[in-house]
Amino acid sequence: DQQVKQNSPSLSVQEGRISILNCDYTNSMFDYFLWYKKYPAEGPTFLISISSIKDKNEDGRFTVFLNKSAKHLSLHIVPSQPGDSAVYFCAAGNQAGTALIFGKGTTLSVSS
Amino acid sequence: DGGITQSPKYLFRKEGQNVTLSCEQNLNHDAMYWYRQDPGQGLRLIYYSQIVNDFQKGDIAEGYSVSREKKESFPLTVTSAQKNPTAFYLCASSIAALSEQFFGPGTRLTVL
Repeated sequence: DQQVKQNSPSLSVQEGRISILNCDYTNSMFDYFLWYKKYPAEGPTFLISISSIKDKNEDGRFTVFLNKSAKHLSLHIVPSQPGDSAVYFCAAGNQAGTALIFGKGTTLSVSS
Repeated sequence: DGGITQSPKYLFRKEGQNVTLSCEQNLNHDAMYWYRQDPGQGLRLIYYSQIVNDFQKGDIAEGYSVSREKKESFPLTVTSAQKNPTAFYLCASSIAALSEQFFGPGTRLTVL
């Protein structure tokens, strides 16, 4: 049973517009969430994180929103750039746990 | 230059042979992880280690083995018991169990 779900396998947006990537989770014990970006044949790189005591965290063009009641988080990229084209993974964990659970990823394509 | 190295980048083996993938980090991180990535499957946890001489099975540990004799090193052996070993293998490390994970560049293993 998937505890972290990224229901959209792919997303296409135009350069300059907003990209919104979504992630749902089922385990209410999760209290720490991260987004990673991955290019083909490379390891993922950390983008941004949020703990359950917040509902928003911003870092430059990247903002993560957390809706605990809906068990939903989203990553907003504004403005989107062609270099943002990659696979984005959502991950979740909890303070009592020992490893992150990753979603299956969403492939973002930003066209110029 | 601090980071995680995985070698080799590409590895070919005959069916029935054991093979060991290398993972080294000089970040002084306590925790290390091995993931497997298959198309459409995201990142699946094979094994993780929170401290030297200790490791735990992840979601798909069958057919794999690890050791953690040194803080810097966490080699993964893909044994002949692993039914579908061809995949992209990623090693990661983190300061503690629940913090940002830093990933290596990955090793693509192809079993012929």
